[in-house]
Amino acid sequence: DGGITQSPKYLFRKEGQNVTLSCEQNLNHDAMYWYRQDPGQGLRLIYYSQIVNDFQKGDIAEGYSVSREKKESFPLTVTSAQKNPTAFYLCASSPGLAGGNEQFFGPGTRLTVL
Amino acid sequence: RKEVEQDPGPFNVPEGATVAFNCTYSNSASQSFFWYRQDCRKEPKLLMSVYSSGNEDGRFTAQLNRASQYISLLIRDSKLSDSATYLCVVTNTNAGKSTFGDGTTLTVKP
Repeated sequence: DGGITQSPKYLFRKEGQNVTLSCEQNLNHDAMYWYRQDPGQGLRLIYYSQIVNDFQKGDIAEGYSVSREKKESFPLTVTSAQKNPTAFYLCASSPGLAGGNEQFFGPGTRLTVL
Repeated sequence: RKEVEQDPGPFNVPEGATVAFNCTYSNSASQSFFWYRQDCRKEPKLLMSVYSSGNEDGRFTAQLNRASQYISLLIRDSKLSDSATYLCVVTNTNAGKSTFGDGTTLTVKP
């Protein structure tokens, strides 16, 4: 089955610790995205990548970092510099500029910082 | 002003009702438009793309008005299973990114 996987589904960390969220896709999509969603609110773009080895900051990149070393993988690190990291994190992919803009989402990771 | 604005609702309607959601966007360079559905504590799922000519998928009709910069979603004959949050999405292809509205919550009651 083709799709996007995120792991883990739930993650608990102590304040001050960095944590890396996994996102893998086997859809052969060029573009990948990370969003954050807080309760009762919409999705806010953290980082996005249109192609391997390239990525851009979204609207709320401070306190986060990403890498795109492989087409199928786009891990997100939530650093200790992120002031309010508890949220629902969603990864998405799309075919890319040439193939269409519809985004397909993974099941998300709920991060709780204690 | 937000780049994409939706009426948050909630919309509470009886089964069988027709309900319409609107979404306005401010960036005239936007090129692609979508409606997503998000169930409670789940990921958003693509409901339909939106075209200037209008498009229909069963009970759902989407419309785009570029001149006025708004898109709409019409749901006819509402079902209990339509209860969800509906997200409007506007994409600037040149910038390679999308902007999501905050969503409109629909509850369909028996």
